[in-house]
Amino acid sequence: NAGVTQTPKFQVLKTGQSMTLQCAQDMNHNSMYWYRQDPGMGLRLIYYSASEGTTDKGEVPNGYNVSRLNKREFSLRLESAAPSQTSVYFCATYRFAGGVNEQFFGPGTRLTVL
Amino acid sequence: GQQVMQIPQYQHVQEGEDFTTYCNSSTTLSNIQWYKQRPGGHPVFLIQLVKSGEVKKQKRLTFQFGEAKKNSSLHITATQTTDVGTYFCAAPAYGGSQGNLIFGKGTKLSVKP
Repeated sequence: NAGVTQTPKFQVLKTGQSMTLQCAQDMNHNSMYWYRQDPGMGLRLIYYSASEGTTDKGEVPNGYNVSRLNKREFSLRLESAAPSQTSVYFCATYRFAGGVNEQFFGPGTRLTVL
Repeated sequence: GQQVMQIPQYQHVQEGEDFTTYCNSSTTLSNIQWYKQRPGGHPVFLIQLVKSGEVKKQKRLTFQFGEAKKNSSLHITATQTTDVGTYFCAAPAYGGSQGNLIFGKGTKLSVKP
């Protein structure tokens, strides 16, 4: 099983360009998340999807849109990239099993906006 | 808004020394989780603590949950170079969906051989 996969691994954009970050999971988890990680800022939630067909804003949603295409896939779109969106983006899923809450992270996308 | 404060931000130790990172919340937590992120990698779940005063061990790592369930710590005994990385605590986010977490800013551990 691949777990949580993300594409691309690296991306360089110019200010104003758009792009979509892809995330897919094969763990059959209902909930999926998009985080951004900046130095010294920890992980901040951008958007999440508690189940197929639903999406909600997290802590830092401005400048982003998401699509929960199906249970497996959750994409993050930057419509008009800005240098402030230079970051590492992680997709994650959530499982509650045996009394344990656990998030599973993808390998990340390292995005630079010039 | 809800915050989970984690200190220190950085810790540099000599191999073999001990290391501790602390996590504090102003509100009572139902549980707390710890994650480790290796350099260039992604966060990986280590453990969840649920009970007041709970102590759990994983080899050289000892995790504690405070009696008031407002703080937690991770202690590593006799650090090794394989312990290098950033350690995050995370707590359930109030008002969000089950599974939503608030992460501390992390403690970045470096180990000098």
